[in-house]
Amino acid sequence: GAGVSQTPSNKVTEKGKYVELRCDPISGHTALYWYRQSLGQGPEFLIYFQGTGAADDSGLPNDRFFAVRPEGSVSTLKIQRTERGDSAVYLCASSLDPRAGGQETQYFGPGTRLLVL
Amino acid sequence: AQRVTQPEKLLSVFKGAPVELKCNYSYSGSPELFWYVQYSRQRLQLLLRHISRESIKGFTADLNKGETSFHLKKPFAQEEDSAMYYCALSGQAAGNKLTFGGGTRVLVKP
Repeated sequence: GAGVSQTPSNKVTEKGKYVELRCDPISGHTALYWYRQSLGQGPEFLIYFQGTGAADDSGLPNDRFFAVRPEGSVSTLKIQRTERGDSAVYLCASSLDPRAGGQETQYFGPGTRLLVL
Repeated sequence: AQRVTQPEKLLSVFKGAPVELKCNYSYSGSPELFWYVQYSRQRLQLLLRHISRESIKGFTADLNKGETSFHLKKPFAQEEDSAMYYCALSGQAAGNKLTFGGGTRVLVKP
């Protein structure tokens, strides 16, 4: 079946602008994760959704970052007043419900490469 | 706080030689450890996890709680093993999020 998809694949914006990044998880996956990967580093956790609610948003760097998942499927990561330091690859992953009994495998999307000029 | 360290940024080996990627972690509790791999122009994918205790593509990894390590090994490297490898940790105290190391690039030369 189809894997996790993310759009756009690349986004170039100017400092101060607003951007939205979209993630389509694997059908049936109730858990959805956002990570950010800066150049030369490993992915860093941003936020985790279980269904429609954010179960853990401890990784969001500040209040310019916000994410939603209104129907428990597609998720949108929103960044306000973008800064050059926000430039990175934003990764989305989904999994089956990890609460059932241990860690479920997270399946990653191809990422959105964001460049803030 | 949980932390994953991969001390080598780059490992270059010849085809047929053994390869070992080091991973050390810090975590309060019982962690789950993973190795993820990213081949050129492909997405990040799970290679193996310690609870499975299986060998994938000839790779194995043993969790050593005394040394807080989860090193990845392969006795005979192949050119198709060239990729970025990330060690990652999760556990009850960390919720379900993955904490990744900085990654090791493996280059297998012919």
